[in-house]
Amino acid sequence: RKEVEQDPGPFNVPEGATVAFNCTYSNSASQSFFWYRQDCRKEPKLLMSVYSSGNEDGRFTAQLNRASQYISLLIRDSKLSDSATYLCVVNKANAGNMLTFGGGTRLMVKP
Amino acid sequence: DGGITQSPKYLFRKEGQNVTLSCEQNLNHDAMYWYRQDPGQGLRLIYYSQIVNDFQKGDIAEGYSVSREKKESFPLTVTSAQKNPTAFYLCASGYLYEQYFGPGTRLTVT
Repeated sequence: RKEVEQDPGPFNVPEGATVAFNCTYSNSASQSFFWYRQDCRKEPKLLMSVYSSGNEDGRFTAQLNRASQYISLLIRDSKLSDSATYLCVVNKANAGNMLTFGGGTRLMVKP
Repeated sequence: DGGITQSPKYLFRKEGQNVTLSCEQNLNHDAMYWYRQDPGQGLRLIYYSQIVNDFQKGDIAEGYSVSREKKESFPLTVTSAQKNPTAFYLCASGYLYEQYFGPGTRLTVT
């Protein structure tokens, strides 16, 4: 089983739609969780951290379910500029500051 | 401007040649990392360094070497021993679990 698993997509949605991605992780000892955004042929950029209580940043909401070991990202009112690959990232337990990256979920927002 | 720079953006080499990729940061981060990304795949850790003059192998270190003589710099050498060197190479620096990436170098070996 992969340490971090994501549906690769693509998710094709119309502008204005709400879309949600899930990610599962295998190590129950992991403590830190993130979503990164990666545009085509560019570097990943930190989108948001994921906190136990859930957190929101504008149109983006991240949630963590420790019992089921999954993380979600909800995007409301999708914009064309949201088209990108979203990477789920989890710290490697007992490995200092190392991170494990999921393969990413590709989102395409259409006019 | 604070950030991470990588050069060059594109690099072409013949098989059998060693090549060194540059990574510089002015974010005053102690930790620096090198990752490799292949098409349609996630990032895989090659080497990392938590402090100057110290570095550790990541998941796929074979065929690569690094040095960390200065806090700001963490160059990666892709040696001729690396079987499939063509990839997108990303350097990152970070504080605790947050990592910030440079723009990457696309290496093509023929």
